[in-house]
Amino acid sequence: AQSVTQPDIHITVSEGASLELRCNYSYGATPYLFWYVQSPGQGLQLLLKYFSGDTLVQGIKGFEAEFKRSQSSFNLRKPSVHWSDAAEYFCAVGQFGGATNKLIFGTGTLLAVQP
Amino acid sequence: EADIYQTPRYLVIGTGKKITLECSQTMGHDKMYWYQQDPGMELHLIHYSYGVNSTEKGDLSSESTVSRIRTEHFPLTLESARPSHTSQYLCASSDQPGGAFFGQGTRLTVV
Repeated sequence: AQSVTQPDIHITVSEGASLELRCNYSYGATPYLFWYVQSPGQGLQLLLKYFSGDTLVQGIKGFEAEFKRSQSSFNLRKPSVHWSDAAEYFCAVGQFGGATNKLIFGTGTLLAVQP
Repeated sequence: EADIYQTPRYLVIGTGKKITLECSQTMGHDKMYWYQQDPGMELHLIHYSYGVNSTEKGDLSSESTVSRIRTEHFPLTLESARPSHTSQYLCASSDQPGGAFFGQGTRLTVV
């Protein structure tokens, strides 16, 4: 069965510092991978997605993620964090096949940004 | 910009009441979903639909029911609300394996 693990429940970084959020997945075939961000009291916003091709994908708000098949990872990165990036981040794997079209989410990583 | 709307945003209701959470999307997506999310926790899929008159239960068992009479509308109903139903409910839609668009959620409190 597909699953997603986000090992870090909570991360604190200083504004301007670099950021890496970890995501590991379990999936039998080539995965469809996503990163979402959720601000307090809001729904989820899609940051970026990977289906195939270039393993380094660019997203919105200056985020990028790298797919590493050998490590079953899809870590999210940002070179310089802004205070507005404080939010909860969810990694997801897409389960698609026939009529099936579902997302399986990790438990999320809560990012705090120090001034 | 995603066009998927949930109402109400917040709802406090007494035990035993019937409630319907509304979800509408203007993107013409065939696939729609309901997720349940407790504070600080992951999202759990409770219902999904692949089109009109198609509804399926998700991975997490839920006492709620859904209907899909129109493409754009996917309401969720609780016949008799209980405190254990207190949670955030997120609606989403997608048209392909391109990720889902989410509404802002309904935070339900049953007292």
